[in-house]
Amino acid sequence: DAKTTQPTSMDCAEGRAANLPCNHSTISGNEYVYWYRQIHSQGPQYIIHGLKNNETNEMASLIITEDRKSSTLILPHATLRDTAVYYCIVRLPSGGYNKLIFGAGTRLAVHP
Amino acid sequence: KAGVTQTPRYLIKTRGQQVTLSCSPISGHRSVSWYQQTPGQGLQFLFEYFSETQRNKGNFPGRFSGRQFSNSRSEMNVSTLELGDSALYLCASSFGQGMDEQFFGPGTRLTVL
Repeated sequence: DAKTTQPTSMDCAEGRAANLPCNHSTISGNEYVYWYRQIHSQGPQYIIHGLKNNETNEMASLIITEDRKSSTLILPHATLRDTAVYYCIVRLPSGGYNKLIFGAGTRLAVHP
Repeated sequence: KAGVTQTPRYLIKTRGQQVTLSCSPISGHRSVSWYQQTPGQGLQFLFEYFSETQRNKGNFPGRFSGRQFSNSRSEMNVSTLELGDSALYLCASSFGQGMDEQFFGPGTRLTVL
């Protein structure tokens, strides 16, 4: 699985968009980009995933660059409850396994 | 639908003892994965079970083992506990393998004294 690089921490004002970058320059053609987050003292929570097209769901949007070497998770209107550690993970969909390799993630602090 | 449940939530053991942690996946889910989270190493994959078979294993010593039952419930066991085994142990379940979203439980906080 490709390695990912994320900023250690970020701040965001409540109500504003939070844009969390992730670099995955060694990603291979069939690897997907997944995002999970972990709110303090809870288990990680799935947010979104994508291959090459931009994706959107009720939680967030995922923008993947055309060369697929980086991506951005967008929380359109951050709330205090979005304060968490956000993990960007690159993995293969096939092979019949569910192993997730977590990096250090980005600690997002949403403030009033 | 009930989420992933893990028992116990908190556990205190002493060095040399063994411990068994339990995970009940979401109903209908057949894959269960285990992770260890520590402040120093972060979240690390332990192993994954699917249909009672271990399908994947992380880089942990043989003291860490697991199993899955026919109802998909899973247990992990750590023998001869060491101080460094103090961690949050997380269980995740998914319907199948590959692309499926994984749902994590709240974890079991193990403290080894």
